[in-house]
Amino acid sequence: GAVVSQHPSWVICKSGTSVKIECRSLDFQATTMFWYRQFPKQSLMLMATSNEGSKATYEQGVEKDKFLINHASLTLSTLTVTSAHPEDSSFYICSALSASSYNEQFFGPGTRLTVL
Amino acid sequence: KQEVTQIPAALSVPEGENLVLNCSFTDSAIYNLQWFRQDPGKGLTSLLLIQSSQREQTSGRLNASLDKSSGRSTLYIAASQPGDSATYLCAVRLNNDMRFGAGTRLTVKP
Repeated sequence: GAVVSQHPSWVICKSGTSVKIECRSLDFQATTMFWYRQFPKQSLMLMATSNEGSKATYEQGVEKDKFLINHASLTLSTLTVTSAHPEDSSFYICSALSASSYNEQFFGPGTRLTVL
Repeated sequence: KQEVTQIPAALSVPEGENLVLNCSFTDSAIYNLQWFRQDPGKGLTSLLLIQSSQREQTSGRLNASLDKSSGRSTLYIAASQPGDSATYLCAVRLNNDMRFGAGTRLTVKP
């Protein structure tokens, strides 16, 4: 149990286009989901916290107009990178908080974004 | 602001050796601490989760300890194998907020 999926697993896009990444909790409901970004050989940095039905809370330095987060249901959160640029190329990982499992966070497999 | 530090940044050992990875954090008011493994280009694999009320957790050849008052955790790997080669990440949770260390890159040589 407690599986989190992400789609797509990798994406290549042209500079200036928008990319949507989906994060789903497959067998549990997640009132809170998190989005992280990981640059090569660096650790995960929290970008934003997403609560179902409300606006996301962004970490300092993360542009909310560039990284649009929607958490419309208890099993789905989406991250849209708008007007992507090469510096947005990174590994994006989501996680979902399971209230029924000691509030443990379960992580998705990540999405590799490459912006040309 | 919670800061998580992992030492060493990289470690190379011969197969069969026992080893210890270290993690320290600045704010002891954590909810839990978790150790993850990450293979190159892949997502995170949870290894051990220690709740704030616990002192250690064990799974197979892995043992993780937690000393909240001193802000430290260790991950002990017994009888290391080449398949253990990966980056090991420590993360602490304050309320709903999880913060990661930079990781220790482990190489186990056959």
